[in-house]
Amino acid sequence: DTAVSQTPKYLVTQMGNDKSIKCEQNLGHDTMYWYKQDSKKFLKIMFSYNNKELIINETVPNRFSPKSPDKAHLNLHINSLELGDSAVYFCASSLEGGPNEKLFFGSGTQLSVL
Amino acid sequence: QKEVEQNSGPLSVPEGAIASLNCTYSDRGSQSFFWYRQYSGKSPELIMSIYSNGDKEDGRFTAQLKASQYVSLLIRDSQPSDSATYLCAVNSNNNDMRFGAGTRLTVKP
Repeated sequence: DTAVSQTPKYLVTQMGNDKSIKCEQNLGHDTMYWYKQDSKKFLKIMFSYNNKELIINETVPNRFSPKSPDKAHLNLHINSLELGDSAVYFCASSLEGGPNEKLFFGSGTQLSVL
Repeated sequence: QKEVEQNSGPLSVPEGAIASLNCTYSDRGSQSFFWYRQYSGKSPELIMSIYSNGDKEDGRFTAQLKASQYVSLLIRDSQPSDSATYLCAVNSNNNDMRFGAGTRLTVKP
């Protein structure tokens, strides 16, 4: 069983469209994250949730809206997609979000905006 | 100022050599430090974590944490399978892990 699974793995779409990426973890973790990795491999935190509550909301355009229906799921909806949104988006989870905890990553979603 | 900085690389070492990867961070309140390895097209995976000043060894890997806001990763007897991007990560607060831009390592047979 995959611990952190995200879908789809690849997403190719036109500018201006709206798309969603789904993430689920079956580890029983309380904390989930969205990271964006650009073409230079820089992995930047976007959001973190602890038990469905938004904790970290970095300087991300409000076209990006995370939703956590329960602590096992954290979805990312993106409105009005732009070329600069092209990147790999990683979902991750950790047990309670404590500072000594490692992150478990999903396999990533490669988003290409044309 | 970037929160976590790494030497950009790419770093190339011959097989069997020691690879040395460096990382500095700006937040003096940082508590926990991690090294993740990321193969091309894959997700990051944890290889080392360190929480106090000094050295921590795990097989061929040694993480070093110094009071001067500096953390390093040494890979002894480097193998071609070690070729990957190594990401330094720092956790200052709960629910908030910050990554450096990564150093790409190539180990040549």
